[in-house]
Amino acid sequence: DTEVTQTPKHLVMGMTNKKSLKCEQHMGHRAMYWYKQKAKKPPELMFVYSYEKLSINESVPSRFSPECPNSSLLNLHLHALQPEDSALYLCASSQLGLAVGELFFGEGSRLTVL
Amino acid sequence: DQQVKQNSPSLSVQEGRISILNCDYTNSMFDYFLWYKKYPAEGPTFLISISSIKDKNEDGRFTVFLNKSAKHLSLHIVPSQPGDSAVYFCAASAGFGNEKLTFGTGTRLTIIP
Repeated sequence: DTEVTQTPKHLVMGMTNKKSLKCEQHMGHRAMYWYKQKAKKPPELMFVYSYEKLSINESVPSRFSPECPNSSLLNLHLHALQPEDSALYLCASSQLGLAVGELFFGEGSRLTVL
Repeated sequence: DQQVKQNSPSLSVQEGRISILNCDYTNSMFDYFLWYKKYPAEGPTFLISISSIKDKNEDGRFTVFLNKSAKHLSLHIVPSQPGDSAVYFCAASAGFGNEKLTFGTGTRLTIIP
């Protein structure tokens, strides 16, 4: 199983809503990532979890709250988002201690904030 | 400040010919480089990588060349096939095992049958 599964694929929410994006992998990877990608832009790193602990937060606003309940799951909790937060949110995973850069990406969750 | 740049937003190549995608970087701390391929409605897929101790890495039809003095790398695809049509992202990290990847802006490659 070499898949990273993200749900939902599409999400529309208002600025006052609370929603969550979910990500799951069963490759035994111990690093999991959230990236944000706007149209015609490269993916931008948001968060990295290593061994279920938050290791990198790229100064992401607190309206985005990551959570790693276990080594296979990664959530991104969304609250009071702004329309400019509309983007494709990509989850990825990788092994640690080896070539970390070989990330396995999910298909992404396309978020629209109204 | 874009530390990894792909100056060609798009490239069209005839099927069977060589495709050359270029990438420049500014951060001298980068020492591990990767190429990812992205089809529409899918996440990026890892293609090939190179560490700074090498100047060339080859995997089948794909070869990556690294010129550290010029801070430049390129991806060669030969022969190009229609299935290679995708957006290609160059990415870099500083320190082997560093979890942070910086991506370039991407080049859309179109292979003309």
